[in-house]
Amino acid sequence: AQSVTQLGSHVSVSEGALVLLRCNYSSSVPPYLFWYVQYPNQGLQLLLKYTSAATLVKGINGFEAEFKKSETSFHLTKPSAHMSDAAEYFCAVSPSGSARQLTFGSGTQLTVLP
Amino acid sequence: EPEVTQTPSHQVTQMGQEVILRCVPISNHLYFYWYRQILGQKVEFLVSFYNNEISEKSEIFDDQFSVERPDGSNFTLKIRSTKLEDSAMYFCASSLLVDSTGELFFGEGSRLTVL
Repeated sequence: AQSVTQLGSHVSVSEGALVLLRCNYSSSVPPYLFWYVQYPNQGLQLLLKYTSAATLVKGINGFEAEFKKSETSFHLTKPSAHMSDAAEYFCAVSPSGSARQLTFGSGTQLTVLP
Repeated sequence: EPEVTQTPSHQVTQMGQEVILRCVPISNHLYFYWYRQILGQKVEFLVSFYNNEISEKSEIFDDQFSVERPDGSNFTLKIRSTKLEDSAMYFCASSLLVDSTGELFFGEGSRLTVL
């Protein structure tokens, strides 16, 4: 069985500050990991994914995430927050590499303060 | 840019009534999915559909649920007799491929409220 835990249901940062959203996974097999973003009144959009190639993954909108097997983590970062980054972010895991059965975390609401 | 569209955006129904949620996946995609998110809880996988049949389903997807692709464009989720606990946001998704490169494209969701 696989699962993800997102630490912090709400994160607030100032505009221009570092964004760090935490995700830890549990998987009995090598995982494939994903970050999705949901803007208000929109569907889930893929930010980036880890598929066992490079451990540092770059995504859209300046976000990146690093897969750390020793820490079972896949934290999402962005060097400088922008007001438009305000959204809910979901970490997800799939054990087989298939996107069929994504297991999502509970989500982190990011607020960007002016 | 192609997108997944869902209707209705919000539906209110009485307990015991049948509900059909509709989705139009991206036109050249082959795999279709339903996920749901109960308010305050995680997004959960319900079912995946390929080649006109269910390929995988979760424990949540019991006999009260069914999916159908009635024509070449629509993909529907039917709840036969709604319960209060079916109140949730239902997301449809589609993908071209089923492996790790097969990004899921999600719709904006249909919010179902069961009274």
